[in-house]
Amino acid sequence: DTAVSQTPKYLVTQMGNDKSIKCEQNLGHDTMYWYKQDSKKFLKIMFSYNNKELIINETVPNRFSPKSPDKAHLNLHINSLELGDSAVYFCASSLIFGASYEQYFGPGTRLTVT
Amino acid sequence: GNSVTQMEGPVTLSEEAFLTINCTYTATGYPSLFWYVQYPGEGLQLLLKATKADDKGSNKGFEATYRKETTSFHLEKGSVQVSDSAVYFCALTNAGKSTFGDGTTLTVKP
Repeated sequence: DTAVSQTPKYLVTQMGNDKSIKCEQNLGHDTMYWYKQDSKKFLKIMFSYNNKELIINETVPNRFSPKSPDKAHLNLHINSLELGDSAVYFCASSLIFGASYEQYFGPGTRLTVT
Repeated sequence: GNSVTQMEGPVTLSEEAFLTINCTYTATGYPSLFWYVQYPGEGLQLLLKATKADDKGSNKGFEATYRKETTSFHLEKGSVQVSDSAVYFCALTNAGKSTFGDGTTLTVKP
Protein backbone atom coordinates (compact mmCIF):
# COMPACT_ATOMS: atom_id res chain seq x y z
CA ASP A 1 0.00 0.00 0.00
CA THR A 2 1.58 3.28 -1.14
CA ALA A 3 1.74 5.87 1.64
CA VAL A 4 1.79 8.98 -0.56
CA SER A 5 0.68 8.58 -4.16
CA GLN A 6 0.59 11.04 -7.04
CA THR A 7 -1.02 10.97 -10.46
CA PRO A 8 0.03 11.21 -13.14
CA LYS A 9 3.67 10.13 -12.97
CA TYR A 10 4.47 11.86 -16.25
CA LEU A 11 2.75 14.83 -17.84
CA VAL A 12 3.72 16.29 -21.22
CA THR A 13 1.79 19.31 -22.41
CA GLN A 14 2.07 22.48 -24.44
CA MET A 15 2.56 26.04 -23.31
CA GLY A 16 -0.66 27.78 -22.40
CA ASN A 17 -2.51 24.64 -21.35
CA ASP A 18 -4.04 24.02 -17.92
CA LYS A 19 -3.23 20.81 -16.03
CA SER A 20 -3.76 19.20 -12.63
CA ILE A 21 -1.73 16.86 -10.47
CA LYS A 22 -3.39 14.81 -7.75
CA CYS A 23 -1.96 13.64 -4.45
CA GLU A 24 -3.34 11.28 -1.83
CA GLN A 25 -1.90 10.06 1.46
CA ASN A 26 -3.20 7.12 3.49
CA LEU A 27 -1.10 7.80 6.59
CA GLY A 28 -3.70 9.79 8.48
CA HIS A 29 -1.44 12.84 8.48
CA ASP A 30 -2.74 16.35 9.07
CA THR A 31 -0.21 18.27 6.97
CA MET A 32 0.51 18.11 3.24
CA TYR A 33 2.95 19.93 0.98
CA TRP A 34 3.82 20.60 -2.64
CA TYR A 35 7.46 20.90 -3.72
CA LYS A 36 9.09 21.72 -7.06
CA GLN A 37 12.42 20.10 -7.98
CA ASP A 38 14.30 21.56 -10.92
CA SER A 39 16.76 19.87 -13.26
CA LYS A 40 19.65 20.57 -10.85
CA LYS A 41 17.77 18.74 -8.09
CA PHE A 42 17.12 21.94 -6.13
CA LEU A 43 14.01 21.44 -4.03
CA LYS A 44 11.70 24.36 -3.34
CA ILE A 45 8.61 24.28 -1.15
CA MET A 46 5.53 25.75 -2.80
CA PHE A 47 2.60 25.24 -0.42
CA SER A 48 1.84 23.79 2.99
CA TYR A 49 -1.64 22.73 4.10
CA ASN A 50 -2.73 21.78 7.58
CA ASN A 51 -6.14 20.16 8.05
CA LYS A 52 -7.25 21.38 4.61
CA GLU A 53 -6.21 24.97 5.36
CA LEU A 54 -3.43 26.77 3.47
CA ILE A 55 -0.76 27.81 5.96
CA ILE A 56 2.28 28.55 3.81
CA ASN A 57 2.39 29.94 0.28
CA GLU A 58 5.97 30.51 -0.80
CA THR A 59 5.45 33.35 -3.29
CA VAL A 60 4.32 31.01 -6.00
CA PRO A 61 2.71 32.61 -9.09
CA ASN A 62 -1.08 32.83 -9.03
CA ARG A 63 -1.21 30.38 -11.94
CA PHE A 64 -0.63 27.66 -9.34
CA SER A 65 -3.68 26.90 -7.25
CA PRO A 66 -3.68 24.11 -4.68
CA LYS A 67 -6.90 22.55 -3.42
CA SER A 68 -7.44 20.26 -0.48
CA PRO A 69 -10.90 18.63 -0.53
CA ASP A 70 -10.06 16.70 2.63
CA LYS A 71 -7.09 15.93 4.86
CA ALA A 72 -5.99 13.00 2.71
CA HIS A 73 -5.89 14.84 -0.61
CA LEU A 74 -4.01 17.83 -1.97
CA ASN A 75 -4.27 18.65 -5.65
CA LEU A 76 -2.31 21.17 -7.67
CA HIS A 77 -3.84 22.97 -10.63
CA ILE A 78 -1.63 24.96 -12.96
CA ASN A 79 -3.04 27.48 -15.43
CA SER A 80 -1.39 28.83 -18.56
CA LEU A 81 1.63 26.56 -18.35
CA GLU A 82 5.03 28.06 -19.19
CA LEU A 83 8.31 26.46 -20.24
CA GLY A 84 9.79 27.29 -16.83
CA ASP A 85 7.18 25.14 -15.12
CA SER A 86 8.94 22.02 -16.41
CA ALA A 87 10.15 20.20 -13.31
CA VAL A 88 9.38 17.30 -11.03
CA TYR A 89 6.61 18.10 -8.55
CA PHE A 90 6.55 16.23 -5.25
CA CYS A 91 3.73 15.93 -2.80
CA ALA A 92 4.60 15.18 0.83
CA SER A 93 2.84 14.75 4.16
CA SER A 94 3.74 14.87 7.83
CA LEU A 95 1.92 13.83 10.97
CA ILE A 96 1.14 17.31 12.26
CA PHE A 97 2.40 20.78 11.54
CA GLY A 98 5.41 20.94 13.81
CA ALA A 99 9.13 20.84 14.14
CA SER A 100 10.12 17.26 14.83
CA TYR A 101 8.03 15.32 12.34
CA GLU A 102 9.60 14.03 9.18
CA GLN A 103 7.93 14.29 5.81
CA TYR A 104 6.86 11.39 3.62
CA PHE A 105 7.26 12.09 -0.08
CA GLY A 106 5.34 10.80 -3.06
CA PRO A 107 7.12 9.42 -6.14
CA GLY A 108 6.87 12.69 -8.05
CA THR A 109 5.20 13.94 -11.23
CA ARG A 110 7.53 14.86 -14.05
CA LEU A 111 5.97 17.78 -15.92
CA THR A 112 7.35 18.69 -19.32
CA VAL A 113 6.06 21.81 -21.03
CA THR A 114 6.85 22.12 -24.75
CA GLY B 1 15.39 33.47 8.08
CA ASN B 2 16.36 29.82 8.00
CA SER B 3 18.99 28.41 5.67
CA VAL B 4 20.85 25.16 5.05
CA THR B 5 24.23 24.95 3.36
CA GLN B 6 25.46 21.62 2.09
CA MET B 7 28.77 20.52 0.77
CA GLU B 8 28.79 20.91 -2.99
CA GLY B 9 28.86 17.82 -5.11
CA PRO B 10 29.12 15.70 -6.94
CA VAL B 11 31.05 13.34 -4.68
CA THR B 12 32.59 10.19 -6.14
CA LEU B 13 33.98 7.47 -3.88
CA SER B 14 35.18 3.91 -4.20
CA GLU B 15 33.28 1.16 -2.44
CA GLU B 16 34.18 0.84 1.26
CA ALA B 17 35.48 4.42 1.44
CA PHE B 18 34.54 6.74 4.31
CA LEU B 19 31.85 9.29 3.56
CA THR B 20 31.33 12.77 5.00
CA ILE B 21 28.81 15.23 3.63
CA ASN B 22 28.96 18.55 5.44
CA CYS B 23 25.84 20.44 6.41
CA THR B 24 25.57 23.70 8.35
CA TYR B 25 22.46 25.67 9.13
CA THR B 26 21.17 29.05 10.23
CA ALA B 27 18.00 29.24 12.27
CA THR B 28 16.50 30.98 15.25
CA GLY B 29 15.15 28.90 18.09
CA TYR B 30 15.46 25.12 18.16
CA PRO B 31 15.05 23.51 14.76
CA SER B 32 14.84 19.79 14.08
CA LEU B 33 17.40 18.48 11.61
CA PHE B 34 17.01 15.80 8.96
CA TRP B 35 18.88 13.95 6.26
CA TYR B 36 16.82 12.71 3.34
CA VAL B 37 17.99 10.47 0.50
CA GLN B 38 16.66 10.42 -3.05
CA TYR B 39 17.41 7.39 -5.22
CA PRO B 40 17.17 7.82 -9.00
CA GLY B 41 13.61 8.26 -10.20
CA GLU B 42 12.13 8.28 -6.70
CA GLY B 43 10.88 10.71 -4.10
CA LEU B 44 12.86 11.70 -1.03
CA GLN B 45 12.84 9.41 1.97
CA LEU B 46 13.97 10.07 5.50
CA LEU B 47 17.42 8.72 6.28
CA LEU B 48 17.79 10.01 9.84
CA LYS B 49 16.86 12.88 12.09
CA ALA B 50 17.77 14.65 15.34
CA THR B 51 15.44 16.89 17.28
CA LYS B 52 17.70 18.49 19.89
CA ALA B 53 21.29 19.45 20.50
CA ASP B 54 23.77 16.56 20.90
CA ASP B 55 21.25 14.02 19.58
CA LYS B 56 22.73 11.51 17.17
CA GLY B 57 20.55 10.17 14.38
CA SER B 58 21.53 6.88 12.77
CA ASN B 59 20.18 4.51 10.15
CA LYS B 60 21.62 1.96 7.67
CA GLY B 61 25.17 2.70 8.83
CA PHE B 62 24.77 6.47 8.37
CA GLU B 63 24.93 8.83 11.31
CA ALA B 64 24.84 12.55 12.06
CA THR B 65 25.10 14.52 15.30
CA TYR B 66 23.21 17.74 16.01
CA ARG B 67 25.90 20.23 16.99
CA LYS B 68 24.40 23.47 18.20
CA GLU B 69 27.75 25.10 18.96
CA THR B 70 28.89 24.75 15.35
CA THR B 71 25.36 24.76 13.84
CA SER B 72 26.23 21.60 11.94
CA PHE B 73 24.71 18.22 11.13
CA HIS B 74 27.34 16.40 9.06
CA LEU B 75 26.43 13.03 7.54
CA GLU B 76 28.94 10.17 7.88
CA LYS B 77 29.22 6.53 6.92
CA GLY B 78 32.20 4.35 7.59
CA SER B 79 32.07 2.18 4.49
CA VAL B 80 29.91 3.12 1.50
CA GLN B 81 28.39 0.67 -0.96
CA VAL B 82 27.43 1.04 -4.61
CA SER B 83 23.80 0.98 -3.48
CA ASP B 84 24.37 4.22 -1.51
CA SER B 85 24.64 6.15 -4.78
CA ALA B 86 21.92 8.79 -4.52
CA VAL B 87 21.27 12.47 -3.82
CA TYR B 88 21.42 13.45 -0.14
CA PHE B 89 19.53 16.43 1.26
CA CYS B 90 20.09 18.10 4.60
CA ALA B 91 16.99 19.85 5.93
CA LEU B 92 15.67 21.65 8.95
CA THR B 93 12.19 22.31 10.23
CA ASN B 94 11.63 25.34 12.43
CA ALA B 95 8.22 26.48 13.66
CA GLY B 96 6.66 24.16 11.12
CA LYS B 97 8.54 25.59 8.14
CA SER B 98 10.98 23.33 6.27
CA THR B 99 14.16 24.40 4.49
CA PHE B 100 16.21 22.03 2.35
CA GLY B 101 19.82 22.21 1.26
CA ASP B 102 20.73 22.05 -2.42
CA GLY B 103 21.45 18.32 -2.32
CA THR B 104 24.72 16.44 -2.76
CA THR B 105 25.01 13.76 -5.42
CA LEU B 106 27.01 10.73 -4.30
CA THR B 107 28.32 8.14 -6.74
CA VAL B 108 30.00 5.04 -5.37
CA LYS B 109 32.12 3.02 -7.80
CA PRO B 110 32.85 -0.69 -7.38
